[in-house]
Amino acid sequence: DGGITQSPKYLFRKEGQNVTLSCEQNLNHDAMYWYRQDPGQGLRLIYYSQIVNDFQKGDIAEGYSVSREKKESFPLTVTSAQKNPTAFYLCASKSASGGLYEQYFGPGTRLTVT
Amino acid sequence: SQQGEEDPQALSIQEGENATMNCSYKTSINNLQWYRQNSGRGLVHLILIRSNEREKHSGRLRVTLDTSKKSSSLLITASRAADTASYFCATDARLTGGGNKLTFGTGTQLKVEL
Repeated sequence: DGGITQSPKYLFRKEGQNVTLSCEQNLNHDAMYWYRQDPGQGLRLIYYSQIVNDFQKGDIAEGYSVSREKKESFPLTVTSAQKNPTAFYLCASKSASGGLYEQYFGPGTRLTVT
Repeated sequence: SQQGEEDPQALSIQEGENATMNCSYKTSINNLQWYRQNSGRGLVHLILIRSNEREKHSGRLRVTLDTSKKSSSLLITASRAADTASYFCATDARLTGGGNKLTFGTGTQLKVEL
């Protein structure tokens, strides 16, 4: 899991509540990403940030929000507007150095909303 | 169908046999990457092949890329029980605003039995 931590590992919430997932990296990476994974499916990009104080919507940003106030941190808030929030959420980071393309993933947070 | 679809969806082999997984994609790519995911964990980068490369090796892994057919294959030779995991291909494309974006396939679940 490299130098990326996600907490908590499991999170349970009631419907209608906002919840924030933590992602921290000590790899000095500029770019950070949030993905959602549903059972039997691949990863879908929610939001990404290439530099501090800047972030962009991914393919499924509706019902989610992010912030990037520090290079090391990229928290994801799952809002009550997200219709199907139960999923496995993965955070990743990548160096901005030229020629380095692989992403490093955290261990994930499994969110269950009932 | 999605960008980056793996075939087969699931594969069960005996230890010592070779495992081959295929990936097809639709758009132009900068490079193609393969990742591995153990159950309930984050993804780990295995190997990257650039768009101008046709074959690449790393230990027991062999990746091929055919840009004319928009397809790639991952071969794991002499498989071990510890290779049991899900394997994802991810196509890497440049973003107009800079940086890169990975688009993941749906994955192949590999089970290696003793």
